Amino acid sequence: GQQVQQSPASLVLQEGENAELQCNFSTSLNSMQWFYQRPEGSLVSLFYNPSGTKQSGRLTSTTVIKERRSSLHISSSQITDSGTYLCAMDLNNNRIFFGDGTQLVVKP
Amino acid sequence: GPKVLQIPSHQIIDMGQMVTLNCDPVSNHLYFYWYKQILGQQMEFLVNFYNGKVMEKSKLFKDQFSVERPDGSYFTLKIQPTALEDSAVYFCASSPDWGQDTQYFGPGTRLLVL
Repeated sequence: GQQVQQSPASLVLQEGENAELQCNFSTSLNSMQWFYQRPEGSLVSLFYNPSGTKQSGRLTSTTVIKERRSSLHISSSQITDSGTYLCAMDLNNNRIFFGDGTQLVVKP
Repeated sequence: GPKVLQIPSHQIIDMGQMVTLNCDPVSNHLYFYWYKQILGQQMEFLVNFYNGKVMEKSKLFKDQFSVERPDGSYFTLKIQPTALEDSAVYFCASSPDWGQDTQYFGPGTRLLVL
């Protein structure tokens, strides 16, 4: 079954709006990561976030391990934020499972 | 920050031929991984590798697949023979430790099997 559930599947924003992306895990996990996948497919690691809150510029990640969830908040979205956001969980055996991703489109 | 390189970025090959995908991991990393993402689908784990050995592989890691890292050079994924369903983007990743650190991903190799 699907071990990593991401929501929403897609999101359309006007430039300047905020976005909240969610990730839920069906099993206990060792850690989790957020990635940005560019339209051409390459991956950028955003956060490695076993627990708690981390911030980088306009991005904030909050993970609550015991509740098996993580969120990614994008503030003041820009057109260049468009792409796919993937969350992935790392089980104790070091295998990473990816969610289906959230497709974000930011319009001018 | 640390970077993982993948060569080539794109590869087109005829079905039945052999292909080798190359990964240049972060220099002091010890653990290496391959992932496969078919266009429009979820990215999925293929295999992880440590100390010259496959530690774990998924059901997607068919008998036609093999990995190696001879003498600390490239970490390679070889497919022999290739099949149409092998068309995908293959991502390499490396990490310094087991389960303690983030995996650093390469930009991917887009493989098209005709």
